[in-house]
Amino acid sequence: SYEVTQPPSVSVSPGQTARITCSGDALPRQYVFWYQQKAGQAPMIVIYKDSERPSGIPERFSGSSSGTEATLTISGVQAEDEGDYYCQSVDNIGTYVTFGGGTKLTVL
Amino acid sequence: QLQLQESAPGLVRPSETLSLTCSVSGGSVSSSTYYWAWIRQPPGRGLEWVGSVSYTGLTHYNPSVASRLTLSVDTTKNRFSLRLSSVTAADTAVYYCARLALAGGYYSHFDHWGQGTLVTVPS
Repeated sequence: SYEVTQPPSVSVSPGQTARITCSGDALPRQYVFWYQQKAGQAPMIVIYKDSERPSGIPERFSGSSSGTEATLTISGVQAEDEGDYYCQSVDNIGTYVTFGGGTKLTVL
Repeated sequence: QLQLQESAPGLVRPSETLSLTCSVSGGSVSSSTYYWAWIRQPPGRGLEWVGSVSYTGLTHYNPSVASRLTLSVDTTKNRFSLRLSSVTAADTAVYYCARLALAGGYYSHFDHWGQGTLVTVPS
């Protein structure tokens, strides 16, 4: 099986920048996708294809990828951004989906 | 607006078969640019992809459950289904159905999700 790895937690103060990383051997060849999950809710995509932002997602959410590491950046963090964030990718064959373990973002 | 809704089996006894259905509205399951997927989340833990199925019945399963899993699509009723046999307490989770986009022939991302349904297998 293929795995991607995230830090378990990130904490920032309101207005600061939060960065959440995702590491995986196939990331140079495969896209990374990022989901936000708030308590009791289904996940929602916030970044697709490494850096594309779906309509309706605030501009403060951005993504990048270089080599075996991808990064979700939230600029000017707001209290409403608190929640769990998951990266997702696929293996080299493209038909095995993997999620990172999730990163809990705490807004202090 | 595409909407997905899981059925709600609730409690399933150990060794029995879990059956879930995801009803799709506001769109068709008969699309060549999407697969239909199940993702689960044990209480307090992360997301796990369970498997995916195309409208033609092509399937890909997570090896962790592949020997017990069957996914299918009913295009006449615009829904897709999961059957997981020989369940144990380790299968206790919120089960989400979702639409899985394709990009260049590869799996891409889950762009629409159901609200999720909690399935409990008592130990």
